[in-house]
Amino acid sequence: SAVISQKPSRDICQRGTSLTIQCQVDSQVTMMFWYRQQPGQSLTLIATANQGSEATYESGFVIDKFPISRPNLTFSTLTVSNMSPEDSSIYLCSAVDRGLENEQFFGPGTRLTVL
Amino acid sequence: AQSVSQHNHHVILSEAASLELGCNYSYGGTVNLFWYVQYPGQHLQLLLKYFSGDPLVKGIKGFEAEFIKSKFSFNLRKPSVQWSDTAEYFCAVILDRGSTLGRLYFGRGTQLTVWP
Repeated sequence: SAVISQKPSRDICQRGTSLTIQCQVDSQVTMMFWYRQQPGQSLTLIATANQGSEATYESGFVIDKFPISRPNLTFSTLTVSNMSPEDSSIYLCSAVDRGLENEQFFGPGTRLTVL
Repeated sequence: AQSVSQHNHHVILSEAASLELGCNYSYGGTVNLFWYVQYPGQHLQLLLKYFSGDPLVKGIKGFEAEFIKSKFSFNLRKPSVQWSDTAEYFCAVILDRGSTLGRLYFGRGTQLTVWP
């Protein structure tokens, strides 16, 4: 299995600012993803973080708002840009382990509050 | 649009009671099905998964789930719950494994509270 860590674990930010969340996996993984879990709601896939190329975004999410990087097979970042209170949520990173097809492991999440 | 429905938002049981959490999906093609659990203060963990073969799958901690294709369902069961099963349970699906590898769609989640 893959062990995933995220930084920061939580943050409180002001409206209009940006926050970058880091995701580190302890082994090389095939794919990495970013999800959002808004209060009282389910997890929603934001995008697939592609190694060495632009991320693939789901409907309703755009690169200008959620720029994503994945410079190598173990690390990814998600930036929440120009934040508003509606962006308050838990952001989770996940990874699909090489050799464990479709079994996805999740990080602990980053709890973001925007004032 | 594809969706995953979990019928119960909050289930409260006493220890030793039997559990069944409903999950339905709306997609006519090939699916991979999962149940994840999130214990208080912990991250999401995989309980069990179905890819193909025997539609009754067994997971960790005594949980099992049955895939009924005709009903588009993947209900989670446990014959006797424990206080330590208190957690939030998420049903999730991957559609057409080849083209959407890894893209999980989640249900809303069911909060299970077990009283000792």
